[in-house]
Amino acid sequence: EDKVVQSPLSLVVHEGDTVTLNCSYEVTNFRSLLWYKQEKKAPTFLFMLTSSGIEKKSGRLSSILDKKELFSILNITATQTGDSAIYLCAASNSGTYKYIFGTGTRLKVLA
Amino acid sequence: DSGVTQTPKHLITATGQRVTLRCSPRSGDLSVYWYQQSLDQGLQFLIQYYNGEERAKGNILERFSAQQFPDLHSELNLSSLELGDSALYFCASSVGQGETQYFGPGTRLLVL
Repeated sequence: EDKVVQSPLSLVVHEGDTVTLNCSYEVTNFRSLLWYKQEKKAPTFLFMLTSSGIEKKSGRLSSILDKKELFSILNITATQTGDSAIYLCAASNSGTYKYIFGTGTRLKVLA
Repeated sequence: DSGVTQTPKHLITATGQRVTLRCSPRSGDLSVYWYQQSLDQGLQFLIQYYNGEERAKGNILERFSAQQFPDLHSELNLSSLELGDSALYFCASSVGQGETQYFGPGTRLLVL
């Protein structure tokens, strides 16, 4: 059965800290891995990763995929209170086009 | 704003009832996905449509059904509602299949 596991479940840091969120996956016919940020309501798209070893970057956020070890990390540097959210990771199956989501990592950044 | 719209925003109904949730995808997107998010289950994929046809099915109950219309909007029908169906229901859309999904604001359903 396809599954996505995220760790840690929850994280509390102070502003300015750097955090690393982990996502491991077991998906048949893996196609891509996506990261989303969910604040109060709908998840908002952060990154889509399809190739191993290529870092994607957007401001203070960056992410990389390792298709050999079946995991991805999301890094946030110089965290701000506005980064407080649930970060979701999802992996897609190219055969079924289904997206399997992890349960998320809840990040809280304290001022 | 992702460009995906969902109505209604909130819905309160009683057990045994039937409701319809509506989703309009982003302009140009052909795929629509439905998800259920509850506190204890996380985000669960329900069903996907592509250009009017069902393409993938997830953990969707038999009491639930969906369709995508020729104008590409989609409806999720939930019947014989139970307390456990209370959740946030998201619709997402993408240009094709397996592409980046953009989520709507969700419909919060409360079954009393």
